[in-house]
Amino acid sequence: EAGVVQSPRYKIIEKKQPVAFWCNPISGHNTLYWYRQNLGQGPELLIRYENEEAVDDSQLPKDRFSAERLKGVDSTLKIQPAELGDSAVYLCASAGNTEAFFGQGTRLTVV
Amino acid sequence: ELKVEQNPLFLSMQEGKNYTIYCNYSTTSDRLYWYRQDPGKSLESLFVLLSNGAVKQEGRLMASLDTKARLSTLHITAAVHDLSATYFCAGVNRDDKIIFGKGTRLHILP
Repeated sequence: EAGVVQSPRYKIIEKKQPVAFWCNPISGHNTLYWYRQNLGQGPELLIRYENEEAVDDSQLPKDRFSAERLKGVDSTLKIQPAELGDSAVYLCASAGNTEAFFGQGTRLTVV
Repeated sequence: ELKVEQNPLFLSMQEGKNYTIYCNYSTTSDRLYWYRQDPGKSLESLFVLLSNGAVKQEGRLMASLDTKARLSTLHITAAVHDLSATYFCAGVNRDDKIIFGKGTRLHILP
């Protein structure tokens, strides 16, 4: 069974440029999470979806971040414009009944 | 709001020794996760603990949950170098938000 797939794996952009990350969750998982992990820290939740509905986006910086999960399957996370402080690993996770599985993440470097 | 605290944050130990990582959480958590993360890699699910008194073991790792004390432990038996990694525990609040601790960076010396 395929796990959570994310792309790209790495992205380097200049500040003020836009960037987008894509996530394909495990088939049948209704819950999808986007996390941000800074170096040496634990992951911090940005947004959680139940099917296509964003049920918790309280931690998402809405002035520059946006996310969508059309049809309740794949999801994209966008940053526009990116700032230097956005450099981090962006992790997508999906969950079934009890267990949450993480993708490989996208390492974003803003220069 | 659920808060998860791990200790120690850094641990350097000799091969063959036993040690325990502690995970305290502040409010009721429906379940407790343990993950392993190798440098530059994503999080690998180790254990999901669902109820008070739950104990799960995989190889040299054993996790337990005491919901009354709001404490989970990850015990390492006869450590080997391959277990060097960062270990995270995470709780789940009533809104199904998964909250992570800061992680325990484990370095096992040969």
